[in-house]
Amino acid sequence: ETGVTQTPRHLVMGMTNKKSLKCEQHLGHNAMYWYKQSAKKPLELMFVYNFKEQTENNSVPSRFSPECPNSSHLFLHLHTLQPEDSALYLCASSPTWTGPSAAYGYTFGSGTRLTVV
Amino acid sequence: AQKITQTQPGMFVQEKEAVTLDCTYDTSDQSYGLFWYKQPSSGEMIFLIYQGSYDEQNATEGRYSLNFQKARKSANLVISASQLGDSAMYFCAMREGSNNNDMRFGAGTRLTVKP
Repeated sequence: ETGVTQTPRHLVMGMTNKKSLKCEQHLGHNAMYWYKQSAKKPLELMFVYNFKEQTENNSVPSRFSPECPNSSHLFLHLHTLQPEDSALYLCASSPTWTGPSAAYGYTFGSGTRLTVV
Repeated sequence: AQKITQTQPGMFVQEKEAVTLDCTYDTSDQSYGLFWYKQPSSGEMIFLIYQGSYDEQNATEGRYSLNFQKARKSANLVISASQLGDSAMYFCAMREGSNNNDMRFGAGTRLTVKP
Protein backbone atom coordinates (compact mmCIF):
# COMPACT_ATOMS: atom_id res chain seq x y z
CA GLU A 1 0.00 0.00 0.00
CA THR A 2 1.56 3.29 -1.07
CA GLY A 3 1.15 6.60 0.71
CA VAL A 4 -1.17 7.79 -2.07
CA THR A 5 -4.55 6.11 -2.40
CA GLN A 6 -6.71 6.37 -5.50
CA THR A 7 -10.30 5.27 -5.86
CA PRO A 8 -11.85 3.65 -7.71
CA ARG A 9 -9.25 1.33 -9.22
CA HIS A 10 -11.40 0.68 -12.27
CA LEU A 11 -14.20 2.74 -13.79
CA VAL A 12 -16.37 2.20 -16.83
CA MET A 13 -18.59 5.09 -17.81
CA GLY A 14 -20.77 6.17 -20.68
CA MET A 15 -20.13 9.37 -22.57
CA THR A 16 -23.05 11.12 -20.89
CA ASN A 17 -22.16 10.11 -17.34
CA LYS A 18 -20.63 12.23 -14.60
CA LYS A 19 -18.13 10.59 -12.30
CA SER A 20 -15.28 11.59 -10.01
CA LEU A 21 -11.86 10.16 -9.29
CA LYS A 22 -10.48 10.55 -5.80
CA CYS A 23 -6.91 10.81 -4.58
CA GLU A 24 -5.77 10.97 -0.96
CA GLN A 25 -2.35 11.29 0.64
CA HIS A 26 -1.25 11.59 4.25
CA LEU A 27 2.45 12.07 3.60
CA GLY A 28 2.43 15.75 4.52
CA HIS A 29 3.09 16.73 0.91
CA ASN A 30 1.99 20.12 -0.32
CA ALA A 31 1.85 19.43 -4.04
CA MET A 32 -0.51 17.07 -5.85
CA TYR A 33 -0.73 16.13 -9.50
CA TRP A 34 -2.97 14.42 -12.02
CA TYR A 35 -1.34 12.51 -14.88
CA LYS A 36 -2.91 10.70 -17.81
CA GLN A 37 -1.24 7.58 -19.15
CA SER A 38 -2.52 6.39 -22.51
CA ALA A 39 -1.31 3.29 -24.29
CA LYS A 40 2.05 3.78 -26.00
CA LYS A 41 2.33 7.45 -24.97
CA PRO A 42 4.43 9.13 -22.29
CA LEU A 43 2.72 10.22 -19.12
CA GLU A 44 0.97 13.54 -19.66
CA LEU A 45 0.77 16.06 -16.84
CA MET A 46 -2.79 17.38 -16.53
CA PHE A 47 -3.03 19.48 -13.38
CA VAL A 48 -0.80 20.65 -10.54
CA TYR A 49 -1.86 21.93 -7.15
CA ASN A 50 0.50 23.59 -4.68
CA PHE A 51 -0.89 24.34 -1.24
CA LYS A 52 -4.42 23.75 -2.60
CA GLU A 53 -3.95 26.31 -5.38
CA GLN A 54 -3.95 25.20 -8.99
CA THR A 55 -0.64 26.23 -10.51
CA GLU A 56 -0.72 24.33 -13.76
CA ASN A 57 -3.33 23.32 -16.31
CA ASN A 58 -1.73 21.71 -19.30
CA SER A 59 -4.39 22.62 -21.87
CA VAL A 60 -6.73 19.99 -20.54
CA PRO A 61 -10.28 19.96 -22.00
CA SER A 62 -12.95 21.37 -19.74
CA ARG A 63 -14.67 18.00 -19.50
CA PHE A 64 -11.97 17.30 -16.88
CA SER A 65 -12.43 19.43 -13.79
CA PRO A 66 -10.03 19.17 -10.84
CA GLU A 67 -10.79 20.03 -7.25
CA CYS A 68 -8.41 20.27 -4.30
CA PRO A 69 -10.31 20.98 -1.06
CA ASN A 70 -7.20 20.57 1.09
CA SER A 71 -3.58 19.49 0.78
CA SER A 72 -4.46 15.84 1.38
CA HIS A 73 -7.24 15.36 -1.15
CA LEU A 74 -7.51 15.78 -4.87
CA PHE A 75 -10.45 15.02 -7.13
CA LEU A 76 -10.89 14.80 -10.87
CA HIS A 77 -14.49 15.35 -11.95
CA LEU A 78 -15.41 13.84 -15.29
CA HIS A 79 -18.34 14.66 -17.55
CA THR A 80 -19.26 14.03 -21.18
CA LEU A 81 -16.02 12.19 -21.85
CA GLN A 82 -14.95 10.75 -25.17
CA PRO A 83 -13.70 7.23 -25.90
CA GLU A 84 -10.18 8.62 -26.45
CA ASP A 85 -10.19 9.68 -22.80
CA SER A 86 -9.90 6.03 -21.82
CA ALA A 87 -6.59 5.72 -20.00
CA LEU A 88 -4.90 5.14 -16.68
CA TYR A 89 -5.21 8.26 -14.52
CA LEU A 90 -2.44 8.59 -11.98
CA CYS A 91 -2.35 10.85 -8.99
CA ALA A 92 0.93 11.84 -7.37
CA SER A 93 2.12 13.99 -4.52
CA SER A 94 5.42 15.53 -3.51
CA PRO A 95 6.95 18.08 -1.20
CA THR A 96 7.07 21.45 -2.88
CA TRP A 97 10.35 21.98 -4.69
CA THR A 98 12.35 24.33 -2.54
CA GLY A 99 15.81 24.44 -4.05
CA PRO A 100 18.09 23.37 -6.87
CA SER A 101 18.25 19.70 -7.66
CA ALA A 102 15.94 18.86 -4.79
CA ALA A 103 15.58 15.11 -4.57
CA TYR A 104 11.84 15.29 -4.35
CA GLY A 105 10.52 12.44 -6.39
CA TYR A 106 6.82 12.00 -6.70
CA THR A 107 4.87 9.37 -4.79
CA PHE A 108 2.25 7.87 -7.08
CA GLY A 109 -0.99 6.10 -6.42
CA SER A 110 -1.94 2.89 -8.18
CA GLY A 111 -4.12 4.75 -10.66
CA THR A 112 -7.67 4.53 -11.89
CA ARG A 113 -8.17 2.59 -15.10
CA LEU A 114 -10.89 4.50 -16.92
CA THR A 115 -12.85 3.10 -19.85
CA VAL A 116 -15.28 5.35 -21.70
CA VAL A 117 -17.91 3.49 -23.72
CA ALA B 1 10.17 19.18 -28.08
CA GLN B 2 10.82 15.84 -26.47
CA LYS B 3 12.64 16.39 -23.19
CA ILE B 4 13.25 12.77 -22.27
CA THR B 5 14.13 10.07 -24.79
CA GLN B 6 14.11 6.36 -24.12
CA THR B 7 15.09 4.59 -27.31
CA GLN B 8 14.49 1.02 -26.19
CA PRO B 9 10.79 0.08 -26.29
CA GLY B 10 11.61 -3.38 -24.98
CA MET B 11 14.56 -5.17 -23.44
CA PHE B 12 15.22 -8.76 -22.42
CA VAL B 13 17.72 -9.90 -19.82
CA GLN B 14 18.60 -13.24 -18.33
CA GLU B 15 17.96 -13.67 -14.63
CA LYS B 16 21.00 -12.74 -12.50
CA GLU B 17 22.59 -10.70 -15.28
CA ALA B 18 22.95 -6.92 -15.42
CA VAL B 19 21.01 -4.71 -17.80
CA THR B 20 21.29 -1.06 -18.84
CA LEU B 21 18.25 1.00 -19.76
CA ASP B 22 19.05 4.10 -21.79
CA CYS B 23 17.82 7.62 -21.18
CA THR B 24 18.85 10.92 -22.73
CA TYR B 25 17.44 14.28 -21.82
CA ASP B 26 17.32 17.81 -23.11
CA THR B 27 17.44 20.92 -20.96
CA SER B 28 19.10 24.30 -20.87
CA ASP B 29 18.73 24.53 -17.08
CA GLN B 30 21.78 24.16 -14.87
CA SER B 31 19.66 22.83 -12.03
CA TYR B 32 17.59 19.75 -12.62
CA GLY B 33 16.85 16.34 -11.21
CA LEU B 34 16.68 13.00 -12.98
CA PHE B 35 14.53 10.14 -11.77
CA TRP B 36 13.79 6.55 -12.64
CA TYR B 37 10.47 4.88 -11.91
CA LYS B 38 9.31 1.30 -12.20
CA GLN B 39 5.74 0.49 -13.19
CA PRO B 40 4.65 -3.13 -12.72
CA SER B 41 1.47 -4.43 -14.28
CA SER B 42 -0.48 -3.24 -11.23
CA GLY B 43 -0.06 0.30 -12.53
CA GLU B 44 1.62 1.94 -9.57
CA MET B 45 4.71 4.04 -10.32
CA ILE B 46 7.52 3.16 -7.92
CA PHE B 47 10.37 5.61 -7.39
CA LEU B 48 13.75 3.90 -7.80
CA ILE B 49 16.59 6.38 -7.92
CA TYR B 50 17.45 10.06 -8.19
CA GLN B 51 20.39 12.00 -9.63
CA GLY B 52 20.84 15.74 -9.17
CA SER B 53 22.53 17.80 -11.83
CA TYR B 54 25.12 19.02 -9.33
CA ASP B 55 25.89 15.59 -7.96
CA GLU B 56 29.39 14.54 -8.94
CA GLN B 57 28.97 10.90 -8.05
CA ASN B 58 26.63 8.47 -9.73
CA ALA B 59 23.62 7.61 -7.61
CA THR B 60 23.20 4.08 -6.30
CA GLU B 61 20.30 2.41 -4.50
CA GLY B 62 20.82 -1.26 -3.82
CA ARG B 63 20.87 -3.08 -7.17
CA TYR B 64 20.09 0.14 -9.04
CA SER B 65 22.71 2.59 -10.19
CA LEU B 66 22.48 5.58 -12.45
CA ASN B 67 25.21 6.15 -15.01
CA PHE B 68 25.14 9.95 -15.22
CA GLN B 69 27.07 11.50 -18.10
CA LYS B 70 26.28 15.17 -17.90
CA ALA B 71 28.12 16.31 -21.03
CA ARG B 72 26.28 13.73 -23.10
CA LYS B 73 23.01 14.41 -21.26
CA SER B 74 22.45 10.79 -20.52
CA ALA B 75 21.18 9.11 -17.37
CA ASN B 76 21.15 5.38 -17.93
CA LEU B 77 19.76 3.01 -15.33
CA VAL B 78 21.79 -0.08 -14.53
CA ILE B 79 20.10 -2.98 -12.79
CA SER B 80 22.53 -5.57 -11.47
CA ALA B 81 21.70 -9.21 -10.75
CA SER B 82 18.28 -9.06 -12.42
CA GLN B 83 15.39 -10.82 -10.73
CA LEU B 84 12.11 -12.06 -12.19
CA GLY B 85 10.31 -9.37 -10.19
CA ASP B 86 12.20 -6.71 -12.11
CA SER B 87 10.01 -7.36 -15.15
CA ALA B 88 8.07 -4.10 -15.59
CA MET B 89 7.96 -0.80 -17.46
CA TYR B 90 10.74 1.61 -16.54
CA PHE B 91 10.40 5.35 -16.97
CA CYS B 92 13.07 8.01 -16.95
CA ALA B 93 11.92 11.46 -15.82
CA MET B 94 13.30 14.95 -15.32
CA ARG B 95 12.34 17.88 -13.17
CA GLU B 96 13.86 21.22 -14.15
CA GLY B 97 14.65 23.96 -11.68
CA SER B 98 13.00 26.57 -13.90
CA ASN B 99 9.75 24.60 -14.16
CA ASN B 100 9.67 22.48 -11.11
CA ASN B 101 5.96 21.77 -11.22
CA ASP B 102 6.31 19.67 -14.33
CA MET B 103 8.06 16.32 -14.16
CA ARG B 104 8.52 15.09 -17.73
CA PHE B 105 8.58 11.38 -18.48
CA GLY B 106 10.04 9.36 -21.30
CA ALA B 107 8.02 6.81 -23.25
CA GLY B 108 9.35 3.97 -21.13
CA THR B 109 11.17 0.69 -21.65
CA ARG B 110 9.51 -2.66 -21.03
CA LEU B 111 12.00 -4.97 -19.34
CA THR B 112 11.43 -8.70 -19.34
CA VAL B 113 13.62 -10.90 -17.16
CA LYS B 114 13.92 -14.45 -18.44
CA PRO B 115 14.45 -17.40 -16.07
